[in-house]
Amino acid sequence: DAGITQSPRHKVTETGTPVTLRCHQTENHRYMYWYRQDPGHGLRLIHYSYGVKDTDKGEVSDGYSVSRSKTEDFLLTLESATSSQTSVYFCAIKPFGKMEANTEAFFGQGTRLTVV
Amino acid sequence: RKEVEQDPGPFNVPEGATVAFNCTYSNSASQSFFWYRQDCRKEPKLLMSVYSSGNEDGRFTAQLNRASQYISLLIRDSKLSDSATYLCVVNIDAGNNRKLIWGLGTSLAVNP
Repeated sequence: DAGITQSPRHKVTETGTPVTLRCHQTENHRYMYWYRQDPGHGLRLIHYSYGVKDTDKGEVSDGYSVSRSKTEDFLLTLESATSSQTSVYFCAIKPFGKMEANTEAFFGQGTRLTVV
Repeated sequence: RKEVEQDPGPFNVPEGATVAFNCTYSNSASQSFFWYRQDCRKEPKLLMSVYSSGNEDGRFTAQLNRASQYISLLIRDSKLSDSATYLCVVNIDAGNNRKLIWGLGTSLAVNP
């Protein structure tokens, strides 16, 4: 157990509404990631963070913003949800230590978001 | 061309069979490599890291060929519980840019 929790686990929302997903970790890891997973696309990186207030875009960042005001929380916001953002969202952390490159990623259990 | 490409699936094999999955990657800045397993409607979980010399964990063997930019996973004596999607993952590590690049996955169904 890598101490990652995502909330909510399921959400149905209407088109045009803002939605915020939360990822919380208990182990003080520096790197955190938000992915979405869709059939035929695999896991795609939305945004990632390499420290408090340090974030960067991934390959599918349009329509999403993130914030990391403290180490343990990484928030993903859909500014105005669209049906194309219906997906399963996974948060991940990747511990970095001495052998930085060779560490696994740990995932939260995912958030199933449906935009109607 | 996708940065990480995997064998197209699905693979349907009988119990006890040996099955091999292949994966190629295109980015020469790739530093480390992994196979993850994902069960239906669950999060991905690490199956094994892939080391340059090749490594084995029970019935699972992973191989890496850096020159050909190729990774493989061999599963011997398949069990019903091996049914899952297997994801090839490559870690790009270049300064502040550390990212995991994921393959689309190969679905394995082990049949009684």
